[in-house]
Amino acid sequence: NAGVTQTPKFQVLKTGQSMTLQCAQDMNHNSMYWYRQDPGMGLRLIYYSASEGTTDKGEVPNGYNVSRLNKREFSLRLESAAPSQTSVYFCASSEALAQPSGYTFGSGTRLTVV
Amino acid sequence: RKEVEQDPGPFNVPEGATVAFNCTYSNSASQSFFWYRQDCRKEPKLLMSVYSSGNEDGRFTAQLNRASQYISLLIRDSKLSDSATYLCVVTNNAGNMLTFGGGTRLMVKP
Repeated sequence: NAGVTQTPKFQVLKTGQSMTLQCAQDMNHNSMYWYRQDPGMGLRLIYYSASEGTTDKGEVPNGYNVSRLNKREFSLRLESAAPSQTSVYFCASSEALAQPSGYTFGSGTRLTVV
Repeated sequence: RKEVEQDPGPFNVPEGATVAFNCTYSNSASQSFFWYRQDCRKEPKLLMSVYSSGNEDGRFTAQLNRASQYISLLIRDSKLSDSATYLCVVTNNAGNMLTFGGGTRLMVKP
């Protein structure tokens, strides 16, 4: 019962480098999300995908792009990393948006941009 | 005003104590409410949903006050293992997403 799997778990990037964070869920959920969590800021939504084939901006989308590759996978791409993007990134999924049973989160990616 | 506000704490309590957290939310139309638990350097995990009639799960009791727009979490007989950050979560203003509070940190001491 893997749930939501994120890779990598840790990453250090230099300013200007690009990378893609991978996320996959095996619960047949329709909706998937990318959040970042910073000290004192709580969880902030970057992008979400209500269903396969759709993506929408969240609260803090600048500097990021996403791809809903299929129903299982939702990736987050940093095209030109900046120190301000140093954070912990969480992917989550749910049966539907604002699902009454809540979201299931992956274990997170700790990203440092130097 | 933030959509969901919580006292960040930390709340330092001895083992066996009863502790309560409140959370206020701004969207009067919110329909779904949750408490999540997040351990240090781990992902958030659903602790319990909060129903209009209130609900209890073992030592944990959640209450919803729609008139005053707050939800509460009561933990009885605190254990060392209850030490974590507790996130209040409600439906966002648009009603199509969950919004997370900043969390309240609880530290249970021996």
